[in-house]
Amino acid sequence: GESVGLHLPTLSVQEGDNSIINCAYSNSASDYFIWYKQESGKGPQFIIDIRSNMDKRQGQRVTVLLNKTVKHLSLQIAATQPGDSAVYFCADSGGGADGLTFGKGTHLIIQP
Amino acid sequence: DAGVIQSPRHEVTEMGQEVTLRCKPISGHNSLFWYRQTMMRGLELLIYFNNNVPIDDSGMPEDRFSAKMPNASFSTLKIQPSEPRDSAVYFCASSLWGRNEQFFGPGTRLTVL
Repeated sequence: GESVGLHLPTLSVQEGDNSIINCAYSNSASDYFIWYKQESGKGPQFIIDIRSNMDKRQGQRVTVLLNKTVKHLSLQIAATQPGDSAVYFCADSGGGADGLTFGKGTHLIIQP
Repeated sequence: DAGVIQSPRHEVTEMGQEVTLRCKPISGHNSLFWYRQTMMRGLELLIYFNNNVPIDDSGMPEDRFSAKMPNASFSTLKIQPSEPRDSAVYFCASSLWGRNEQFFGPGTRLTVL
């Protein structure tokens, strides 16, 4: 099946800076996208999601942007903190209660 | 709420042995998912259930893998016989049917020697 992939395996940013994590997807039928954060030794934790009828969605310090034309998804984290260090996964779904297709993940490193 | 509960957290076994992983979804959730995570392949969906019924098991790698959900509060993933290449972290997740947000358990780290 088709899968969601990530461009960069590792991203290093200074504490306090904004970070942008990118994701490309290939399934044009996907209508739901989600970002998860996974800390070492833990399961993925929900961050934010977006449906295909939206271009942007904001949460607390996080923003997800969806560009359906080029099948691109991004996660913006404002004013990064040490606790933001983790692996971030994007995932997509055809909707309903389908399983998620995950990308490989980007390791975000926050430097002091 | 205790969240999704998985047991054991760690399992070390020898090739050829049977392995059973267990999951208790969040109370009230009626969709349950099993994923496998490895460095090489990332997170892969193995199988998922809606209202205790298996909906899609196309991700199950081989006949050695089987999953059951006898009731709304319990599911098992069994590998028999186990092989070294099955070594991975296995996650269980649950959600409300029709809601995409899945809640993951802490995972079971399986090592097959």
